[in-house]
Amino acid sequence: SQKIEQNSEALNIQEGKTATLTCNYTNYSPAYLQWYRQDPGRGPVFLLLIRENEKEKRKERLKVTFDTTLKQSLFHITASQPADSATYLCALETGFQKLVFGTGTRLLVSP
Amino acid sequence: DTGVSQDPRHKITKRGQNVTFRCDPISEHNRLYWYRQTLGQGPEFLTYFQNEAQLEKSRLLSDRFSAERPKGSFSTLEIQRTEQGDSAMYLCASSLGSSGGYNEQFFGPGTRLTVL
Repeated sequence: SQKIEQNSEALNIQEGKTATLTCNYTNYSPAYLQWYRQDPGRGPVFLLLIRENEKEKRKERLKVTFDTTLKQSLFHITASQPADSATYLCALETGFQKLVFGTGTRLLVSP
Repeated sequence: DTGVSQDPRHKITKRGQNVTFRCDPISEHNRLYWYRQTLGQGPEFLTYFQNEAQLEKSRLLSDRFSAERPKGSFSTLEIQRTEQGDSAMYLCASSLGSSGGYNEQFFGPGTRLTVL
């Protein structure tokens, strides 16, 4: 069966450290993968997209990697800040530009 | 504000009643999506439109659910004979879809439905 797995447990880190979130998937062959941020009571906000032929993508303090052999994406936030506390969702493109989302991982950055 | 808007933001209804939600996408976006999200889960795809054409519907979308996008602008999602299991956040998103292009989706704030 098709699955997208993200850590269901919250990730707690200290301000200034690097947060690393994982997205694993099975039985999908996405052309690209996206990461979104979601704050409580709000809709998701797009952060980064990485294509299947790209290994790594960066944007400011954010970095995404995509390993289509391992079927895994890693999402890194360097120099984390309390304002980075949110739920982070990965989403796979599954054809006709339709997205399937993971369950999300909640990140808590403490000062 | 030129983002995606949804109305109402909150809706409380009794089981068996019909409800209708509205989504206004970003004006130049030709694609519009509806998702449902329950607590602790990611958004689940319900349906999407390219302009006024409804191109795909999820198996989650029972015959009590119907969506329209007349004239390819705003969209409505109607749920008939609501059930308690319909309680969720209903999210709308829009994008500037193009052949071969990627698909950054812009989400609205959602409509939270509570069925008593």
